[in-house]
Amino acid sequence: AQKVTQAQTEISVVEKEDVTLDCVYETRDTTYYLFWYKQPPSGELVFLIRRNSFDEQNEISGRYSWNFQKSTSSFNFTITASQVVDSAVYFCALTGSGGYNKLIFGAGTRLAVHP
Amino acid sequence: GAGVSQTPSNKVTEKGKYVELRCDPISGHTALYWYRQSLGQGPEFLIYFQGTGAADDSGLPNDRFFAVRPEGSVSTLKIQRTERGDSAVYLCASSPGTGGLYGAFFGQGTRLTVV
Repeated sequence: AQKVTQAQTEISVVEKEDVTLDCVYETRDTTYYLFWYKQPPSGELVFLIRRNSFDEQNEISGRYSWNFQKSTSSFNFTITASQVVDSAVYFCALTGSGGYNKLIFGAGTRLAVHP
Repeated sequence: GAGVSQTPSNKVTEKGKYVELRCDPISGHTALYWYRQSLGQGPEFLIYFQGTGAADDSGLPNDRFFAVRPEGSVSTLKIQRTERGDSAVYLCASSPGTGGLYGAFFGQGTRLTVV
């Protein structure tokens, strides 16, 4: 069975701090995709990144970076120099190789960035 | 429209009533998904359409829930004899194709409250 675990329920930081959101997944598929979504108070899920299981290169996009480690089944997300606008719930998700992207979501991590 | 549109944004109904929730996907997207998000949880898969047909309805909780997509575009999620436990945010997503390669683009959801 596929499963995504986000052990951190809530994180609170002060602006400009770096913060890492953890994601651990379980799957028996050899080909799979991992995602991060941001859910601001408006409720819409905003796509941040997609990573396939064969690409373990870390990725950086501005203040965001992602660390994919297949050996530990983790796909962690780091925000550098956090800002108040980063406050949201962040979801990690997993999909299998079944030909369609049925996403399995973690429970989410609520990030609060204080000025 | 530019994004996935869901109507209504909020729906309050009495226990036992019938409700319909509408999703208008991104133009040209062939895949459409419904998810349900309870308070403090990640979205849970309900049903997936490829074109007009429901390719996977394994997430529908029981036979009170039904969804259609008659022309391969707009979809309607129908809930009969609503119960208080049906209260949640119902999210719709669309994708240009199947597979994890594309990810999914989400609407802002319909918040259903059953009183």
